[in-house]
Amino acid sequence: QVQLQESGPGLVKPSETLSLTCAVSGYSISSGYYWGWIRQPPGKGLEWIGSIYHSGSTYYNPSLKSRVTISVDTSKNQFSLKLSSVTAADTAVYYCARHDLDKGGFDYWGQGTLVTVSS
Amino acid sequence: AIQLTQSPSSLSASVGDRVTITCRASQGISSALAWYQQKPGKAPKLLIYDASSLESGVPSRFSGSGSGTDFTLTISSLQPEDFATYYCQQFNSYPSALTFGGGTKVEIK
Repeated sequence: QVQLQESGPGLVKPSETLSLTCAVSGYSISSGYYWGWIRQPPGKGLEWIGSIYHSGSTYYNPSLKSRVTISVDTSKNQFSLKLSSVTAADTAVYYCARHDLDKGGFDYWGQGTLVTVSS
Repeated sequence: AIQLTQSPSSLSASVGDRVTITCRASQGISSALAWYQQKPGKAPKLLIYDASSLESGVPSRFSGSGSGTDFTLTISSLQPEDFATYYCQQFNSYPSALTFGGGTKVEIK
């Protein structure tokens, strides 16, 4: 059974960098699939942040591209998100998920982690 | 980026009702559309992919249809556990951006 688990600080100060990690179990990232980050501000809809392949190829939402870096560590079977220069608008539940390109959708998700941007 | 517009944004229905949710794309996306169900405090769950393919383990009362710009998600007989928010999502291929619709909240009448 594929499982994903997000981890990282729940509180980040404005202008600082948000950093999250997604640990994957039950499947080796090196075996394939893309791995993505999606966020959801409180009471609002879903927003794709970006995705990464095990080779390191990345694709980002154009609206966030200048502030986002997604990386992968196949030795630890995990991938990470960094979002710089955060503001209150970046307060959201952040999810990591597996992107099955054959399906076009995300078939396995982490439980999500709330990150609040506040001083 | 391709925009997805869902309608209605919310609806009230009773157990046993047939429910239809619409998702319209700002340009043609063939059948590259997925549907998710999200319950409060939980991650979204993939229901339908490729516009009409049922994800493994999803009840057959859920179905999807459409291609090009207009898509629908239908719940043939609404069950108590189906009260949730539903999202559509399009994906053609990278490096194109992936987008979600605004969501449709299905509430108990």
